[in-house]
Amino acid sequence: AQSVTQLGSHVSVSEGALVLLRCNYSSSVPPYLFWYVQYPNQGLQLLLKYTTGATLVKGINGFEAEFKKSETSFHLTKPSAHMSDAAEYFCAVSKAAGNKLTFGGGTRVLVKP
Amino acid sequence: ETGVTQTPRHLVMGMTNKKSLKCEQHLGHNAMYWYKQSAKKPLELMFVYNFKEQTENNSVPSRFSPECPNSSHLFLHLHTLQPEDSALYLCASQGQLKVVSGANVLTFGAGSRLTVL
Repeated sequence: AQSVTQLGSHVSVSEGALVLLRCNYSSSVPPYLFWYVQYPNQGLQLLLKYTTGATLVKGINGFEAEFKKSETSFHLTKPSAHMSDAAEYFCAVSKAAGNKLTFGGGTRVLVKP
Repeated sequence: ETGVTQTPRHLVMGMTNKKSLKCEQHLGHNAMYWYKQSAKKPLELMFVYNFKEQTENNSVPSRFSPECPNSSHLFLHLHTLQPEDSALYLCASQGQLKVVSGANVLTFGAGSRLTVL
């Protein structure tokens, strides 16, 4: 079985500061990894994904994540937070063969002016 | 516009009512999902359909009844719900594997916010 753990259900950052959201996974096979963002009153939107190849993945809105197999991690970062980054972020994992996604519990990001 | 449309966006119903949630996608995807998102709880997978066939029912109570008449439409029929069923119900679709571009991406609708009185 696969699982995802997101450390910290709430993160508060100042505008312009680094955003770091932690995600650790467990998987018996090489994983596909995803980060989704959910803005208030909306569905989830894909930020970025890792399947194979380069372990540093760039996504939309200036976010990026690095797959570290040895640490079973896929942490999400953004160098400089904007007010518009206030949202809930979900990490997800799936097997590499058309399988369903398993989501983490989510991390809500608050951006302070 | 994400390509997945859910209606209604908001629904208030009594415990004895019967209502339905609708999801529609025109992305050419073959798989469709229902998720339940409650406050302070992880996203819960409810049902999965592949090519109109139900492939997963995650121990969902029978008061929730899904229907998938074709690969573009998915319904969730609701009857005799309980207040604890109040939540955001998210529909998602998923295309076939494309190894190079990355598979398994789910495209979500905006959700239907359900309140059961």
